[in-house]
Amino acid sequence: EDQVTQSPEALRLQEGESSSLNCSYTVSGLRGLFWYRQDPGKGPEFLFTLYSAGEEKEKERLKATLTKKESFLHITAPKPEDSATYLCAVQPPGGGADGLTFGKGTHLIIQP
Amino acid sequence: SQTIHQWPATLVQPVGSPLSLECTVEGTSNPNLYWYRQAAGRGLQLLFYSVGIGQISSEVPQNLSASRPQDRQFILSSKKLLLSDSGFYLCAWSPGGPRPQHFGDGTRLSIL
Repeated sequence: EDQVTQSPEALRLQEGESSSLNCSYTVSGLRGLFWYRQDPGKGPEFLFTLYSAGEEKEKERLKATLTKKESFLHITAPKPEDSATYLCAVQPPGGGADGLTFGKGTHLIIQP
Repeated sequence: SQTIHQWPATLVQPVGSPLSLECTVEGTSNPNLYWYRQAAGRGLQLLFYSVGIGQISSEVPQNLSASRPQDRQFILSSKKLLLSDSGFYLCAWSPGGPRPQHFGDGTRLSIL
């Protein structure tokens, strides 16, 4: 069974304190790995897609990387507005209409 | 640009009552459509997906059903709600293939 595990479950940082969130997965023939940001009471907002090991994507203070077994979301000099739950999802081969398998997320709090 | 709408935003229903949640997508044609449920402490769980009008596939056995009466309309229904149906329901669309899904802002459903 395809599994997606995110760690840590929660992370509290000071403003400007850089860190990384981890997403490990067990899926054969990964078609894509997706990172989302979710604010309380809202739907997930798409951030990045990664397709192959070694690939990197950047957006403002966020950088996502991918290896054969895990992905990292690096947050550089975060600001309070980066506080949110960050979700990782994988798209396995042959999934129903390309359905995604999600991790439980990392709840990130950035303190001013 | 594409947009996705879900309503209502919140709903409180008694056990045994019927349910109808609606989702519509604008700015695209023939999208893949999805219903997910997000329960506290758990990841998003795919409930239903559709690749076209009248084509519905279910990922998990449950008390709910889905329909797609028009190309960009997706409806989640139940004849009799159970307490276990409480949760945060999210609709999403994608163009298909290994590309990201885009989510609506969800419906918070509470069953009393």
